[in-house]
Amino acid sequence: GDSVTQMEGPVTLSEEAFLTINCTYTATGYPSLFWYVQYPGEGLQLLLKATKADDKGSNKGFEATYRKETTSFHLEKGSVQVSDSAVYFCALRRVAGTASKLTFGTGTRLQVTL
Amino acid sequence: GAGVSQSPRYKVAKRGQDVALRCDPISGHVSLFWYQQALGQGPEFLTYFQNEAQLDKSGLPSDRFFAERPEGSVSTLKIQRTQQEDSAVYLCASSLQGAGNQPQHFGDGTRLSIL
Repeated sequence: GDSVTQMEGPVTLSEEAFLTINCTYTATGYPSLFWYVQYPGEGLQLLLKATKADDKGSNKGFEATYRKETTSFHLEKGSVQVSDSAVYFCALRRVAGTASKLTFGTGTRLQVTL
Repeated sequence: GAGVSQSPRYKVAKRGQDVALRCDPISGHVSLFWYQQALGQGPEFLTYFQNEAQLDKSGLPSDRFFAERPEGSVSTLKIQRTQQEDSAVYLCASSLQGAGNQPQHFGDGTRLSIL
């Protein structure tokens, strides 16, 4: 079945440090890939997405590139801020048919300090 | 507001009681999803509606879980004879369409605690 594997957290960084959160997936076909973010006390928010190989999703300084050859979708940001502290979830979604549920990783908690 | 609305935000129940959780999707969204998020875990799929039709309920963990969307808008997730392992955050999401690359928009969830 479909699955998503994320690096375990927590990840603790100083402000302005470079961030990478690794994500790999297993799925049949060609899924769409997503990063969702969950700030403390809030619901899940879509951060970025990519729908085909070599697509790069970007938003709020975050980027992730859909790498079919390595089945990866690593999240990166060049300079993190304290306000980026949250839990980040990598997810995939089948494109075709009714199998349109999201399959999530377990989440990676990011803590950014001054 | 224009987002997905869930109620109640928090629910505490004694083991064995029945609970009902409500989801108001974004107006015009055809597809509606329920997920269960255990503490420290990612959300896990429970069930999916397209309009009023429940197309996939493969994620419901037992026959104590039941979901409906009778008019293709508001949905209710019901859990009968609750158990402690049902304690989790229940998330509802909606999207314009079910398949494809349409993003799912999530509500803030209902945190269910079973004593």
